Formats: sequence, C-alpha cells, structure tokens
Amino acid sequence: QQQVKQSPQSLIVQKGGIPIINCAYENTAFDYFPWYQQFPGKGPALLIAIRPDVSEKKEGRFTISFNKSAKQFSLHIMDSQPGDSATYFCAASFFGNEKLTFGTGTRLTIIP
Amino acid sequence: DGGITQSPKYLFRKEGQNVTLSCEQNLNHDAMYWYRQDPGQGLRLIYYSQIVNDFQKGDIAEGYSVSREKKESFPLTVTSAQKNPTAFYLCASSIYDVNTGELFFGEGSRLTVL
Repeated sequence: QQQVKQSPQSLIVQKGGIPIINCAYENTAFDYFPWYQQFPGKGPALLIAIRPDVSEKKEGRFTISFNKSAKQFSLHIMDSQPGDSATYFCAASFFGNEKLTFGTGTRLTIIP
Repeated sequence: DGGITQSPKYLFRKEGQNVTLSCEQNLNHDAMYWYRQDPGQGLRLIYYSQIVNDFQKGDIAEGYSVSREKKESFPLTVTSAQKNPTAFYLCASSIYDVNTGELFFGEGSRLTVL
C-alpha cells in the first residue's frame, strides 16, 4: 500500500526558531514530493515541491531536504513567524499515477 | 479571478438524506478531484476525473457518487450509504495529473450530519 508517514502531529515553536516536519515514504516509484500549507477554514495551497534528482530545494524561508536512500524528506522553515502557523501536509506521487498520497498533516503553531 | 468555487460552505443534513456538494473551476484544468479531510487523517481521495464523462474511484469512494458532464464542474453526492459523512470536503483541480503540476484547492465544504 502506498503510504506517506508524517511527524510530528503537532509542533509549537517560538518565533525565529526552525520548525522541522518529517515525512517517510515506502514506494520507491515516487518521484514528486510536494508540501502543502493550509490555513484554518481554507483549502491547502502548494508551498514547495522537490523531485529526487536533488537533495535540497529552497524557496524563500522554506527548504525541503530529501534523502533518497532513507526514503525520507523534510520541511524546514527558517526564521519562523506567527503567520506561518498553519497545518502542513507532505505528499508524494509518481509519473503516470493520477493520485497524490498525502501525509496526515502537522499543525504548526509559532508563538511570539 | 481564476479559481475553484465550492458551495455550500456549510451544510447540515439529517441522517438518511443525500446531499450534493458543488465544485466549479474556471482554470481550464482537465483533472478534478474530491478529497475528504478528517482531523488526524490527512486528505483522503474520494473520486477523481481526468476528462469529461470519465471518473475513477479513489481510496474511500464507498457511499459517494460523482459526475463530470462539463469540464468546469465536478459535483459530489454524499449518499445515505456513507456511514460517517460528517467531514470537511475539498475539491481540487490540476492541469492533467498531479505529477506535472500543483493541485489547486477550493475553500471546502463542511458537512455536518445531525
């Protein structure tokens, strides 16, 4: 069964800290790994995505680290702000598969 | 503005009633999806459609039905056969498939069964 396991379920970090959210996958055919950000009462929105030909991707304060041999990837948020408080979902897919498999989500709270 | 419109935002239903959730997109996307979101369970795929008049079951299709008569529209019916229908329902679309680009989500419909 295709699964993506996400941890932690919730995370509280002080402003300026670096929250890290981890995901692990089982299917080695996965070749697309996006992260989605969801604010309360809204739909998720794509934050950043990576493919396995690189080990790291940065977009602003958000970085994905990817470890192909360990089948793990993680999201780091540099200089976190209260406005980053949201639920974050990792996901995975592979070419020819119409479906994204989502992790269970991490509720992140950044306290001032 | 281009986007996905879901309605209604909130819906209450009595047990035994069917209810239909609307999803319309003006992004000219080929693919559309319905997800169910429950606390601690992430997003689970109910149905998806890559082309008009064709759709496929997702991981939790039982108790749900869809139609795709127009490219812009992908309504979801929650039938009385769905045993635990109270949830947050999200519609999404993408260019063709999720591997080539992002999913665009609507703002969701929250269904409560009384």
